[in-house]
Amino acid sequence: DAGITQSPRHKVTETGTPVTLRCHQTENHRYMYWYRQDPGHGLRLIHYSYGVKDTDKGEVSDGYSVSRSKTEDFLLTLESATSSQTSVYFCAAQGTGGDTQYFGPGTRLTVL
Amino acid sequence: GENVEQHPSTLSVQEGDSAVIKCTYSDSASNYFPWYKQELGKRPQLIIDIRSNVGEKKDQRIAVTLNKTAKHFSLHITETQPEDSAVYFCAARNTGTASKLTFGTGTRLQVTL
Repeated sequence: DAGITQSPRHKVTETGTPVTLRCHQTENHRYMYWYRQDPGHGLRLIHYSYGVKDTDKGEVSDGYSVSRSKTEDFLLTLESATSSQTSVYFCAAQGTGGDTQYFGPGTRLTVL
Repeated sequence: GENVEQHPSTLSVQEGDSAVIKCTYSDSASNYFPWYKQELGKRPQLIIDIRSNVGEKKDQRIAVTLNKTAKHFSLHITETQPEDSAVYFCAARNTGTASKLTFGTGTRLQVTL
């Protein structure tokens, strides 16, 4: 599992509330990613990080922000959750010397 | 940016038969093509990958082929087993910052007895 955990694993929230998802890795990987997975769309990149405090937008970044203050933690925040953000969110990490992206177990988020 | 198309979206084969999943990509500069398997309720896991300087790679019952000229790559599973039933995703890596992957939309493979 490459030492990647996500919390919470399940969350139900209401429209308009802020939500923060946490990704934690123990392998000192440089790169970290947040994806969302929806039926018919595969995995779509939300934001990614290429180092502490270095982040950039992916293809579906509207309504999301991220922060990485430590190598091991990458936080995804939904500033004001909407029903369209109901999804399964996966975090991934990759080391500098390798090609493989390792995925966390996922967080199922429901926005009512 | 990169665009990856994957076909078919669903595939049903009988146990012991072969399965082929195909992907095309748009960015000729992409240089790395992994395949992930995702079982129901689980995380995606890498099963095989190929770099752009190689045409084919094999690992036991699975193989991947790459045609750079046509910009397509395929996953081949031989002698399929029920435990091969899962969703398979192809991806292509862009050459820009942070090794970003662009994924296909997935193929649900069902292996029937």
